[in-house]
Amino acid sequence: GAVVSQHPSWVICKSGTSVKIECRSLDFQATTMFWYRQFPKQSLMLMATSNEGSKATYEQGVEKDKFLINHASLTLSTLTVTSAHPEDSSFYICSARPMGRDSYEQYFGPGTRLTVT
Amino acid sequence: EDKVVQSPLSLVVHEGDTVTLNCSYEVTNFRSLLWYKQEKKAPTFLFMLTSSGIEKKSGRLSSILDKKELFSILNITATQTGDSAVYLCAGQTTSGTYKYIFGTGTRLKVLA
Repeated sequence: GAVVSQHPSWVICKSGTSVKIECRSLDFQATTMFWYRQFPKQSLMLMATSNEGSKATYEQGVEKDKFLINHASLTLSTLTVTSAHPEDSSFYICSARPMGRDSYEQYFGPGTRLTVT
Repeated sequence: EDKVVQSPLSLVVHEGDTVTLNCSYEVTNFRSLLWYKQEKKAPTFLFMLTSSGIEKKSGRLSSILDKKELFSILNITATQTGDSAVYLCAGQTTSGTYKYIFGTGTRLKVLA
């Protein structure tokens, strides 16, 4: 149980275009999902916290107009990288926290590797 | 500012060796300390520690938390080449939405 999927797993886009990444909790409902970015040989950096039905909370230094987050249902959150640039190339990982659980544990998706050319 | 620091940054050992990975944290409204193993893709969960002094064990891996000194260790005994990975620790805060603050990671390579 507690499986999180991401789509796509790998995407290449041209500079200036936008790309959308989906994060789904497959067998549980999640009121909260988290988006992380990981550059090569670096740790996971939290970008934003996504709450179902409300606006996302962005970490300091993350541009909310560039990284649009939508959490329209209890099983789906999307991250759209707008006007992508090569420096946005990274590994994007989402996680989801099951609704109603006491452990407050997060379950991670497999990640999406974005390459901007 | 919340921060989590891991040491060493990287480590090379031979199969059969025992390793100890360190994690120190400064997290406001601390709730738990988590350890993850990351190979090629997303992290896989190892341990969640909330109480001081109680060792958690899973096979050859064990971990303990010291909430007074604000650190945790992850031990791996009788290492195998399959243990080669990046090991991440994260501090969880009760602030906001119980988010995780990840450390820099320790890159472990186990040689045959």
